[in-house]
Order: sequence, then structure tokens, then C-alpha cells
Amino acid sequence: KAGVTQTPRYLIKTRGQQVTLSCSPISGHRSVSWYQQTPGQGLQFLFEYFSETQRNKGNFPGRFSGRQFSNSRSEMNVSTLELGDSALYLCASSSGVGNQETQYFGPGTRLLVL
Amino acid sequence: QKEVEQDPGPLSVPEGAIVSLNCTYSNSAFQYFMWYRQYSRKGPELLMYTYSSGNKEDGRFTAQVDKSSKYISLFIRDSQPSDSATYLCAMKTDSSYKLIFGSGTRLLVRP
Repeated sequence: KAGVTQTPRYLIKTRGQQVTLSCSPISGHRSVSWYQQTPGQGLQFLFEYFSETQRNKGNFPGRFSGRQFSNSRSEMNVSTLELGDSALYLCASSSGVGNQETQYFGPGTRLLVL
Repeated sequence: QKEVEQDPGPLSVPEGAIVSLNCTYSNSAFQYFMWYRQYSRKGPELLMYTYSSGNKEDGRFTAQVDKSSKYISLFIRDSQPSDSATYLCAMKTDSSYKLIFGSGTRLLVRP
């Protein structure tokens, strides 16, 4: 089975711009979670989608939003970028059914905000 | 205080050594415990997954969970230079898919 894929792998943006990141989960997985990883804060949960509905949300400002499509692919959008948004954005997929399901991560999208 | 505490290291050991990595946590509702390995510029890779207290072994890796002490460990036997990476502990409750991560321990295995 192919793993979780994320595009693009690298992005450079300037402050004030917006960005959209994409994630394709493992085939058959219906849950997609997004995490932000920075040297200072580590890995922090952004949100989780299951069957096109946001099921869990972390403590990030409203500039961070996401959606999930009927094929389980997910996108994350960050508007009005700030320098502090520079991070590795990771997507993880799981079946979404049952609490014992583990999450498998993609390679991430590295975002640099100048 | 963070929900999950993990010594950031770095931890440097000679090849063949037994490595012990640990995390402590404060939320007694955590039921599922994971260890991920992350190489530089890569996404985290799931190594071990345990539910509640006890031990689990997989090859050179052993995961231990002690819920009474709110303490989890990962042991790596016969460590190899290819084990050099950052090791992240993660945990979740029974009612959420949100993973709470430790800050990660950087491990260097010297040839």
C-alpha cells in the first residue's frame, strides 16, 4: 500500500500571503489529522477530519483551516501568513474507526515564511 | 507544565549499547501510547504502539508502560548507527484522535 503523500514538499511564502497544503491518506483510511512541528513547540495538533467533517480541533487561530473531500484527501489552508507559521506541517491518516487505530504520518510540507 | 515530558537529549551511545528512552505524563486519561522515530527532514515513523500498562517487544525494541507511575519507556537493544534519529513519544485518550507528543529525544549511535 502506498503511504501518506503530501504536496508540495517545500514552500516559500511571504508574510500576509496564504497557502494551501494537500494530503492524500493511505488507501481506505478515512481520518486525516494535521500537525505543526517547530523546534520550539514540537508537534502540535491542528485538527482532524473524518468523512468530510472536522471531528477534533486544536488550539490554533482561525487563520488555520482545513477541509476533507469525499475521496478522503484533505487540504489545509493558512491565511495571512506570519513569520511564526514557518514549520513542518505533517499529515497523518488512520482508518478513523475505533479508538485503537494508529496514525501514520506523511513526509510533511516544509513551509518557510519570509 | 506540559502534559508530556521528554528529555530532549542529545543522547550519545556507542554501537551495540542498550538505549533507554523515557517519557512522563500528567493526564491519567491517556490510554494509548506510541513511539515514533523521525529522521532528519522526514515524517515520524511509527515504531511501537501499546495500550494501557505492560510490555511489548518487537525485534530489538521493547516498549514499557507503567500507568501507576505515569511513565513510559522504549528500550533499543544492540543499537546501530542507523538508529540515530529523534524518538518521539505520543499518547492519546480513549475519546479523541488527537495525539499529544513529547518534545523528542535526539539519539546518536556512534560506530
